[in-house]
Amino acid sequence: QKEVEQNSGPLSVPEGAIASLNCTYSDRGSQSFFWYRQYSGKSPELIMFIYSNGDKEDGRFTAQLNKASQYVSLLIRDSQPSDSATYLCAVSFDRGSTLGRLYFGRGTQLTVWP
Amino acid sequence: NAGVTQTPKFQVLKTGQSMTLQCAQDMNHNSMYWYRQDPGMGLRLIYYSASEGTTDKGEVPNGYNVSRLNKREFSLRLESAAPSQTSVYFCASSPTWGSNQPQHFGDGTRLSIL
Repeated sequence: QKEVEQNSGPLSVPEGAIASLNCTYSDRGSQSFFWYRQYSGKSPELIMFIYSNGDKEDGRFTAQLNKASQYVSLLIRDSQPSDSATYLCAVSFDRGSTLGRLYFGRGTQLTVWP
Repeated sequence: NAGVTQTPKFQVLKTGQSMTLQCAQDMNHNSMYWYRQDPGMGLRLIYYSASEGTTDKGEVPNGYNVSRLNKREFSLRLESAAPSQTSVYFCASSPTWGSNQPQHFGDGTRLSIL
């Protein structure tokens, strides 16, 4: 059973702060990790993906991956009210019958208040 | 570019009715997917098509059938709708099949079964 766990929140941060979203996964065979943003009533939108241990930065977003500890995180710097959304963590595997499938966490709801 | 287009956007059915959800992508992607999203459950894979001419079951296939009509189009059919199939349905596509392929989502179909 492949599990992807996220704190459902809500996570509430003030405008300009750093928001930290965490995700843990159960299978050491996990290879690829994706962060999606989903506004209420809308579809998931890809923000970032990371394959290797360490940090990957894209604008105000930084994804951090630690395969030994089986967690991946998303940092949002200088948070804005427009960042208020649910953030979905998704994990993919590279072997067996699950190759290519994405397993999603239930999402963390983020609220950025002015 | 339209990306991934789903029709209809909303639908109400009575128990026992049948319906086909349509999905088309214009990104020349090889792989396509159908998910459902329920409150508190996250996104769950129903069926997928790794490439034109192939389809496979995902995590929750019971009560559904799919057809990969051509490279662009992937439809989801409910033969005899049940209230438990009330959900938001998302179609997604990715360039090819593999663990490092980000998936891009359509706007969703909100389906209610009475």
